[in-house]
Amino acid sequence: KNEVEQSPQNLTAQEGEFITINCSYSVGISALHWLQQHPGGGIVSLFMLSSGKKKHGRLIATINIQEKHSSLHITASHPRDSAVYICAANSNYQLIWGAGTKLIIKP
Amino acid sequence: GAVVSQHPSWVICKSGTSVKIECRSLDFQATTMFWYRQFPKQSLMLMATSNEGSKATYEQGVEKDKFLINHASLTLSTLTVTSAHPEDSSFYICSAHSPGLHYEQYFGPGTRLTVT
Repeated sequence: KNEVEQSPQNLTAQEGEFITINCSYSVGISALHWLQQHPGGGIVSLFMLSSGKKKHGRLIATINIQEKHSSLHITASHPRDSAVYICAANSNYQLIWGAGTKLIIKP
Repeated sequence: GAVVSQHPSWVICKSGTSVKIECRSLDFQATTMFWYRQFPKQSLMLMATSNEGSKATYEQGVEKDKFLINHASLTLSTLTVTSAHPEDSSFYICSAHSPGLHYEQYFGPGTRLTVT
């Protein structure tokens, strides 16, 4: 069993839909990262969470430390949100990566 | 926020040549930098951890003589792929850590290497 698991692996939705991507982890962490990778490979750091909730534009990230679970939400999704979203747990100075969720938003 | 840059963003080199990738922390001092590699359709994998002024620590299976890492200053780490082979073609990403930022890692945008 992977230490960081994401679901779903693939997600296709229509423009405007509310999107949720989940991340569960089994290790102790100091922080959890959500990253976005567009086709072509460039990675953008979206959030770094250690507790609670953060919001940036249409993106919202939450984390429940007790349940070892984090979610990334996208409101009013748009085709430009199509990308791979990756969560990574920061544990003992190292990052443990989830496998990523490939999101496709259709117009 | 903290910014990490990588140069070049993409590079094509011939088999047998060496290529150097730079990772810079632009507005903070990074005591530790990490190098990752991502093969197509796979998760990022940690290659090595480098602390400023000391030798890098390589993950199991990563050839230290092939992937030379230098972290000579608090703002610059370099990864040199020596005698590159087509199988080294990959996406290389660095991240940087500063103690003042409390375990946060800031990621570079990545470098796509293609070896022909």
